[in-house]
Amino acid sequence: DQQVKQNSPSLSVQEGRISILNCDYTNSMFDYFLWYKKYPAEGPTFLISISSIKDKNEDGRFTVFLNKSAKHLSLHIVPSQPGDSAVYFCAAGGSQGNLIFGKGTKLSVKP
Amino acid sequence: GAGVSQTPSNKVTEKGKYVELRCDPISGHTALYWYRQSLGQGPEFLIYFQGTGAADDSGLPNDRFFAVRPEGSVSTLKIQRTERGDSAVYLCASSLRPDYNEQFFGPGTRLTVL
Repeated sequence: DQQVKQNSPSLSVQEGRISILNCDYTNSMFDYFLWYKKYPAEGPTFLISISSIKDKNEDGRFTVFLNKSAKHLSLHIVPSQPGDSAVYFCAAGGSQGNLIFGKGTKLSVKP
Repeated sequence: GAGVSQTPSNKVTEKGKYVELRCDPISGHTALYWYRQSLGQGPEFLIYFQGTGAADDSGLPNDRFFAVRPEGSVSTLKIQRTERGDSAVYLCASSLRPDYNEQFFGPGTRLTVL
């Protein structure tokens, strides 16, 4: 039973446009959520996080939105760049320390 | 750089053999995590250390898997009697402390069991 779900395995976006990656979760006890970016043969790299008490966090071109009532979060990348092409993982954490990851969404940004 | 390092980067072994995977966390990070990533999946939690002790080992799939962190820094994940289903990328991460959200990941060790 997946607690964190990324229902879109892939997404293709034109350079300069907005990329929106979505994530749903089932456990309302999660304290925080994170997005990681992963290139092939590398470990995941932290992008941005959001506490469960907030509904938005912004860092440069990256913004994460949290809708607790819908148990849904999204990552917006504006404007998208070819170097953003990677697999993006949504993760959730609580008091126990370990993270629970979704299966990832492969983003392709076309020039 | 001073990131998380993992050795070896690749390990090929035969079914039934014993393997050890090593993780060097970022200096000063007290919390260390092991995850396993299979093809097409996200990382799955295995075990987490706070200092020298295993604070949560609920993700270890069975008693063939064991991990240690004797001095509170380097950690070794040990797999006995490897099976083909153990083939995956094993990721290590560290964080400043358990309540610090961001975990920094190493590049992983790709384990292949023939």
